[in-house]
Amino acid sequence: DVQVVESGGGLVQPGESLRLSCAASGFTFGTYAMSWVRQAPGKGLEWVSSIVGSGIGAYYADAVKGRFTISRDNSKNTLSLQMNSLRAEDTAIYYCAKESGGLVVITNYFDCWGQGTLVTVSS
Amino acid sequence: DIQMTQSPSSLSASVGDRVTITCRASQSISRYLNWYQHKPGKAPRVLIYGASSLQSGVPTRFSGSGSGTDFTLTISSLQPEDFATYYCQQSFSTPRTFGQGTKVGIK
Repeated sequence: DVQVVESGGGLVQPGESLRLSCAASGFTFGTYAMSWVRQAPGKGLEWVSSIVGSGIGAYYADAVKGRFTISRDNSKNTLSLQMNSLRAEDTAIYYCAKESGGLVVITNYFDCWGQGTLVTVSS
Repeated sequence: DIQMTQSPSSLSASVGDRVTITCRASQSISRYLNWYQHKPGKAPRVLIYGASSLQSGVPTRFSGSGSGTDFTLTISSLQPEDFATYYCQQSFSTPRTFGQGTKVGIK
């Protein structure tokens, strides 16, 4: 079965850093783009970042650009999100999502999601 | 950024009802529109991609239509397992944006 499982969430103070991981299985990981999508408490889904299958190209939402870095290790079937300078407004459940294609293109959609990992930024 | 607006924000319906959810884009996105179902504590799942293509494994009571700026998700006969929040999402440009969601509750 195609599966992605997030880990690494937790409680941090404003300004601190956190690294999320996503373990993928059941598909040829390096063939597909991957993304992070978050959901703040009581809010809807918000796209955060995407990375192409090769790992060469990455895209970010303006709200996280310059603070978050997406990366992947295709030899370990793992996606990561390094989150620095965290703010209260980054508090959310973070979902890892597999895309339907290898590049970040207009025909893509998120065809497999994890159950998410909760990040809480509070003093 | 392309803004996605869903209506209604919530609705109450009974098992067996026909349910229609609308999604409007702030500019034309051709047919690059996807629909997701999300239940609390669960992973979201794609229902419809490319405005009208049914994802494998999704029941045929779900259907999508539209192009340009106006799109519709229809559930032909609501089932107990369909009570959830539904989101539209455009893939026409980055940032990918979602609608605010439509919560389908039990009447």
